[in-house]
Amino acid sequence: DVKVTQSSRYLVKRTGEKVFLECVQDMDHENMFWYRQDPGLGLRLIYFSYDVKMKEKGDIPEGYSVSREKKERFSLILESASTNQTSMYLCASSPLGAKNIQYFGAGTRLSVL
Amino acid sequence: AQTVTQSQPEMSVQEAETVTLSCTYDTSESDYYLFWYKQPPSRQMILVIRQEAYKQQNATENRFSVNFQKAAKSFSLKISDSQLGDAAMYFCAYRSALYNQGGKLIFGQGTELSVKP
Repeated sequence: DVKVTQSSRYLVKRTGEKVFLECVQDMDHENMFWYRQDPGLGLRLIYFSYDVKMKEKGDIPEGYSVSREKKERFSLILESASTNQTSMYLCASSPLGAKNIQYFGAGTRLSVL
Repeated sequence: AQTVTQSQPEMSVQEAETVTLSCTYDTSESDYYLFWYKQPPSRQMILVIRQEAYKQQNATENRFSVNFQKAAKSFSLKISDSQLGDAAMYFCAYRSALYNQGGKLIFGQGTELSVKP
C-alpha cells in the first residue's frame, strides 16, 4: 500500500513563527503536492513538485514556500505564520502521468494564534 | 482556467437507498480525467472512482457509478445500497491530461453526505 505520512495531525503556532510541515511518501513517486482545505472552498493547490529540487507554484502560493531535497520528502514552509493560514493542510503524491491517482496523507490541522 | 462546482453542500440518504451527488466542471480541453474522492472523519482522502474523458462508458466500482456527460460537462456520482460507512465528505476533481499542467487536481467545494440508519 502507498503510504503518505504527514508528521503532525495537529499543530498550534503563534503569529510570526516559522512553521514546517513535513510529508514523506514511500512509493518512489515523482510528483508531490501540498493542498490547503477550507470549508466551502474544497482543496486548493499551494505548491507541487515533479522532481527533486523542482517546484511549481499552485493557485495560492503567497505566504508559503516548499523544499524538496530528497525524492520522498516534500516540506511546506510558512515563513511567518499568520492567522489567515489557520487551515487543514493535505500532502499528496503520485507517479508521473495525468491518469495516475494521487495518494493523500491524513492531513495536518494547523491553528495560528 | 478550469473550474469544478459541487452545488450540494450537504446530502442525506437512508441506509440501503440510492443517492446521487452532482458535479459540473468547465474546461476548454478535450482530454482530461475526472475523479471522485471520499474524505471520512478520519480525514484520509480515498479515491472512489476515476473517469477518463475519452471513454464514453461510465466508470463503475461496486456500489459506486458515475454518469459522465461530456457535452454537458457533468460528472455525477451514484451510490447504491448506501451504507453507514459511506458517510463522508465527497469531492469531485478534475485533472488535465496536459503534462505542463503538472498533474494537479482541481477540486470542487465538496458535498457532506450523511447516512441515516
